[in-house]
Amino acid sequence: KAGVTQTPRYLIKTRGQQVTLSCSPISGHRSVSWYQQTPGQGLQFLFEYFSETQRNKGNFPGRFSGRQFSNSRSEMNVSTLELGDSALYLCASSPVTGFYNEQFFGPGTRLTVL
Amino acid sequence: TQLLEQSPQFLSIQEGENLTVYCNSSSVFSSLQWYRQEPGEGPVLLVTVVTGGEVKKLKRLTFQFGDARKDSSLHITAAQPGDTGLYLCAGGQGGAQKLVFGQGTRLTINP
Repeated sequence: KAGVTQTPRYLIKTRGQQVTLSCSPISGHRSVSWYQQTPGQGLQFLFEYFSETQRNKGNFPGRFSGRQFSNSRSEMNVSTLELGDSALYLCASSPVTGFYNEQFFGPGTRLTVL
Repeated sequence: TQLLEQSPQFLSIQEGENLTVYCNSSSVFSSLQWYRQEPGEGPVLLVTVVTGGEVKKLKRLTFQFGDARKDSSLHITAAQPGDTGLYLCAGGQGGAQKLVFGQGTRLTINP
């Protein structure tokens, strides 16, 4: 099976712009989660989508949003970019909605905000 | 707020030595996962433990989940340069696909 894919791998934007990141989960996985990774804060949960619905949300401002399509592919959007949004954005997919919380990560999108 | 404290944050040892990384919390988790991350890549799942007291082995790596499901450890025997990387523990609760991550342990194995 192909792994989780994320596009693009690298992005450079300027403050005030918006950005959309894309994630394709492992085939058959219906849950997609997004995380932000920075050197200072580590990996922090952004949100999780299942069956096109946001099920869980982390403590991030409303500038961060996402959606999931009927084929389980997901996008996240960050509007009005700030310098502090520079980070590695990771998408993870999960095969089940049950107990074990196993998640499989993509390679990430490295976002740099200038 | 659930927190996972990992220690040590940095560890540099010689090839052939043994090491242990700890992951502690005041919260109970239904599952605990360990990941390894290489620079510029996403974390790769190594193991999931779900039962208090559970021990799992993956070649030279031994993972243990605490009896109270609040802590975990990763022990590497006879470390090799290929073990170099960022090791992350992550806790999950119930069916929520929302992991709480530790800050990570950056491990360097010197030849």
